[in-house]
Amino acid sequence: KAGVTQTPRYLIKTRGQQVTLSCSPISGHRSVSWYQQTPGQGLQFLFEYFSETQRNKGNFPGRFSGRQFSNSRSEMNVSTLELGDSALYLCASSFVTGQNEAFFGQGTRLTVV
Amino acid sequence: GESVGLHLPTLSVQEGDNSIINCAYSNSASDYFIWYKQESGKGPQFIIDIRSNMDKRQGQRVTVLLNKTVKHLSLQIAATQPGDSAVYFCAENFSGAGSYQLTFGKGTKLSVIP
Repeated sequence: KAGVTQTPRYLIKTRGQQVTLSCSPISGHRSVSWYQQTPGQGLQFLFEYFSETQRNKGNFPGRFSGRQFSNSRSEMNVSTLELGDSALYLCASSFVTGQNEAFFGQGTRLTVV
Repeated sequence: GESVGLHLPTLSVQEGDNSIINCAYSNSASDYFIWYKQESGKGPQFIIDIRSNMDKRQGQRVTVLLNKTVKHLSLQIAATQPGDSAVYFCAENFSGAGSYQLTFGKGTKLSVIP
């Protein structure tokens, strides 16, 4: 059974640009959530999608957005990139409810220069 | 790796000894907890979970203990091996919130001395 797949693995972008990251969950998983990981702040919740609907959003500016498709694949977008957006972006998928395991992908390492 | 914070607590243990990693969680309403292991350059790897109606759960070489009274979790690793060296995170979720949102602890770096 394939795990959570995130693409691309690495990205280098310039300040002011925008970026789109992709996440394919484990087959059958309908919940996809996104996290930002930095050395200073640790792992922070961005948003969660279930059945193409955003169910919850963390404390991030509106430049961070996402969506989920009918096949449960998800994308997140960051517009007007800032240096502080440099981080490891992680996607996690879960079956349905909040009491099931969440499995993470390898992450996308975003560097903003 | 990037998963390590500037002031991450570190636990050093001798190979073959048992390790105990502790975590204080924040939300008394949280009813589901997970321990993750993260190696440098990789995403968090699921180790073991526990629901709030339990106080102990055992896996292969790992045991998680939950004390809801003091909002404390611990992960015990038996016969620690060099491959256990990584950063360990606890995470909590409140399933009644209607969404899946994990809140993570700061992490503990485990170093195994061969």
